[in-house]
Amino acid sequence: AQSVTQPDIHITVSEGASLELRCNYSYGATPYLFWYVQSPGQGLQLLLKYFSGDTLVQGIKGFEAEFKRSQSSFNLRKPSVHWSDAAEYFCAVGDVSGTSYGKLTFGQGTILTVHP
Amino acid sequence: DAMVIQNPRYQVTQFGKPVTLSCSQTLNHNVMYWYQQKSSQAPKLLFHYYDKDFNNEADTPDNFQSRRPNTSFCFLDIRSPGLGDAAMYLCATSRDQGRRYEQYFGPGTRLTVT
Repeated sequence: AQSVTQPDIHITVSEGASLELRCNYSYGATPYLFWYVQSPGQGLQLLLKYFSGDTLVQGIKGFEAEFKRSQSSFNLRKPSVHWSDAAEYFCAVGDVSGTSYGKLTFGQGTILTVHP
Repeated sequence: DAMVIQNPRYQVTQFGKPVTLSCSQTLNHNVMYWYQQKSSQAPKLLFHYYDKDFNNEADTPDNFQSRRPNTSFCFLDIRSPGLGDAAMYLCATSRDQGRRYEQYFGPGTRLTVT
């Protein structure tokens, strides 16, 4: 069965600093990987996705992520964090086997706090 | 704008009183999902539909049922809510693009059980 690990439960950065959120996955085939962001009391917004091809993917709000098959990782990065980036971030792997139809397995999430 | 809509945004029900949450979409996606997200936890899939084909997760309690009368609408029925069912319920949709599924989420319904 697939799984996702986000080692950092909570990260605090200063506004303007760079950011990297870690994600490791376990999946038996080529993974479809996603990063979502969730503000308090809200739904999930898709930041970016990886299906195949270029291992460095660009997303919305200036985020990017790099797929590294050898490390089973899909870390999220942003060169300069804004106060509005404070939220919870979820990494997820999509299961396309059988009748799974892309169902997502999420990591536990990383809460990002941004200091002014 | 095309979107996923969930109603109501907040629902309070009594212990054991049946409740229905609704989800609608204007994206014309053929796959719809229901996730449960408890406080400070990751979302967990309850079930999903591929068109009218229903797929239940093995560990979804029998207390949870779903209906999809047409492409646009999907309902989550909780037959006898317990205190442990208090959670955020998230609806998502996607389209089969050659087995590539990109899920779009609604804003969620926060369920409180008293």
